[in-house]
Amino acid sequence: DAGVIQSPRHEVTEMGQEVTLRCKPISGHNSLFWYRQTMMRGLELLIYFNNNVPIDDSGMPEDRFSAKMPNASFSTLKIQPSEPRDSAVYFCASSPTGHYGYTFGSGTRLTVV
Amino acid sequence: GQSLEQPSEVTAVEGAIVQINCTYQTSGFYGLSWYQQHDGGAPTFLSYNGLDGLEETGRFSSFLSRSDSYGYLLLQELQMKDSASYFCAVRGAGTALIFGKGTTLSVSS
Repeated sequence: DAGVIQSPRHEVTEMGQEVTLRCKPISGHNSLFWYRQTMMRGLELLIYFNNNVPIDDSGMPEDRFSAKMPNASFSTLKIQPSEPRDSAVYFCASSPTGHYGYTFGSGTRLTVV
Repeated sequence: GQSLEQPSEVTAVEGAIVQINCTYQTSGFYGLSWYQQHDGGAPTFLSYNGLDGLEETGRFSSFLSRSDSYGYLLLQELQMKDSASYFCAVRGAGTALIFGKGTTLSVSS
C-alpha cells in the first residue's frame, strides 16, 4: 500500500487566496483525520470523518475552514480566505474504525504570506 | 475535554535509558498511545496501552496506570536515530486522538 497520500507537499500562497489540501487515505481505512501542527500549538485535531461522515469538527478554527469527504478514497481541507496565521503543517491520517494506530501522510507545509 | 502533560525536552547519551512521562485528563478513556516524529517527518505510531501495565516492543516499552492517569515511554539502548519528538495521545469518548505537545529527545554520542 502507498500509505496516506497528501498533496501538495508544499504550498505558498498570498493572504486572501483560497487553498485546497488533498488527502487519499489507505484503502479500507474507514476513519480519516485532519490535524494541524505548529510550534506554538502542537498537533491539533481539526476534524475527523468516519465512513465519509464528519463526526467531530469542533477543532475547525473558523468558518474559513471547511472539509469534505465525498467518497472513501478522497478528502479535502479548504481555507478561504487564507491568512498568515494559517501557516502550519497540515497532516491527514487514516485508520480502521476505532483502531488506536493512525497512519499519517507526509503533510502539507502551508505558508501564507 | 482532554489535556496531556509531558516534558518539553529530554537529553541522553547513546546506550542510555530514558523515560518520557505523560499525565492526562480526559472525559472517557480509550487508551494511551505514543508516536514518534523525526524533524520534517510525519508522526508514526509506536505503541498503545489500553490496560494497566507494561507493553514491550523491542527497545521501546510503554506503561500505563489508569488510576493515576499516568503513563510513560521507556527507550532503552538509545541510538542517535532515536533523536526525535515523542508524543503521547489519548482518545476520549466520541472523538479522535488528542496529542500532547511533545517531548524532544536529543541523543548525543
